[in-house]
Amino acid sequence: QSALTQPASVSGSPGQSITISCTGSSSDVGAYNYVSWYQQHPDKAPKLMFYDVTKRPSGVSNRFSGSKSGNTASLTISGLQAEDEADYYCSSYTSNNAYVFGTGTKVTVL
Amino acid sequence: EVQLVESGGGLVKPGGSLRLSCAASGITVSQAWVSWVRQAPGKGLEWVGRIKRKEDGGTTDYAAPAKGRFTISRDVSKNTLYLQMNSLNTEDTAVYYCATEGVSWAFDYWGQGTLVTVSS
Repeated sequence: QSALTQPASVSGSPGQSITISCTGSSSDVGAYNYVSWYQQHPDKAPKLMFYDVTKRPSGVSNRFSGSKSGNTASLTISGLQAEDEADYYCSSYTSNNAYVFGTGTKVTVL
Repeated sequence: EVQLVESGGGLVKPGGSLRLSCAASGITVSQAWVSWVRQAPGKGLEWVGRIKRKEDGGTTDYAAPAKGRFTISRDVSKNTLYLQMNSLNTEDTAVYYCATEGVSWAFDYWGQGTLVTVSS
């Protein structure tokens, strides 16, 4: 199972909006609405930001939003803040009854 | 509050074995789906495998690199999960996290991770 494809890095200025894409296939992202997103700060465990494409766990800022079209899911951060600087990973359930993660995106706040 | 604490990591030679533990509090391990996820140094996340809750059969699933070498189990009396890793190679060097699948096909609670280094 190949990793989902994400851009290596995305940057933006404070207050701006950025979008991170996550491209898979008809066996994972395109097959199920079971895409999740994780935020990981350096030397910390990942934190769940979204599940079922668009559902935000309690405590996650509504500046974050998730979507999906076909084989590509997206995470948008609006009103970018310094604390949003981190690595972000998407994940999808797959037809093999397994999970696949994305390659990861480093978000830099300029 | 759910807490997961991994332990058992360390340095092991290629071909060796290691058993990682994931001690849980705030949940009952027999009633949870729990996965192991690893992250090689400077690399991305990789799903290793999972164990389902008892009422769903308690079965295990593994990613291809783990099949036949890794085994996930649990000790209900200790409320702890285990990842037994055999025939280790340098590509298994990573921080290993346990994580609950408490929401729909996603990992909601994570431990802090334990580092496994496979080197001669």
